[in-house]
Amino acid sequence: DAKTTQPTSMDCAEGRAANLPCNHSTISGNEYVYWYRQIHSQGPQYIIHGLKNNETNEMASLIITEDRKSSTLILPHATLRDTAVYYCIVRVTNNDMRFGAGTRLTVKP
Amino acid sequence: KAGVTQTPRYLIKTRGQQVTLSCSPISGHRSVSWYQQTPGQGLQFLFEYFSETQRNKGNFPGRFSGRQFSNSRSEMNVSTLELGDSALYLCASSPEGRLETQYFGPGTRLLVL
Repeated sequence: DAKTTQPTSMDCAEGRAANLPCNHSTISGNEYVYWYRQIHSQGPQYIIHGLKNNETNEMASLIITEDRKSSTLILPHATLRDTAVYYCIVRVTNNDMRFGAGTRLTVKP
Repeated sequence: KAGVTQTPRYLIKTRGQQVTLSCSPISGHRSVSWYQQTPGQGLQFLFEYFSETQRNKGNFPGRFSGRQFSNSRSEMNVSTLELGDSALYLCASSPEGRLETQYFGPGTRLLVL
């Protein structure tokens, strides 16, 4: 699997957009970018995924660069409940995935 | 619809013992995957069961085993526990095994003394 690099932590003001970057420079052509988050004491929660086109769902938007070497998860209007650790992984679609340390996002009032 | 449930939520064992963890998937989900999460190694895939058959396996020693029953409920067993097995063990279910349709349970926190 391609390795991903994410900042250790980020802060965001409540109501503002949270932009979480992820580098995956060794991604291969058939690997998807997946984003998950994990709120303290809960299991991970799937957010969004994409291959090369930008994607949007009810939770977030995913922007993937043209060369696919990096991506950004956008939470358009962050709330206090979005405080969590966010994980970016790259994976072909099966369950053998591995999370790294992720980005700890703190949304502040 | 009820979510993924895992029992027990917390467990304390000593080295050398064995442990069995249980996972009840969302109704209708046939795929159950198990993961180990530790501060040092992050989240790592253990194995996936689909319709009572192990379909994928991660890179863990044979002390880690699992099974799935006809009602899709799954159990995970760890024999001869080691201190390094202390972790949060997560179970996730999905209808067919795709990541984007996978829902995680709250996990079982295992402490090995």
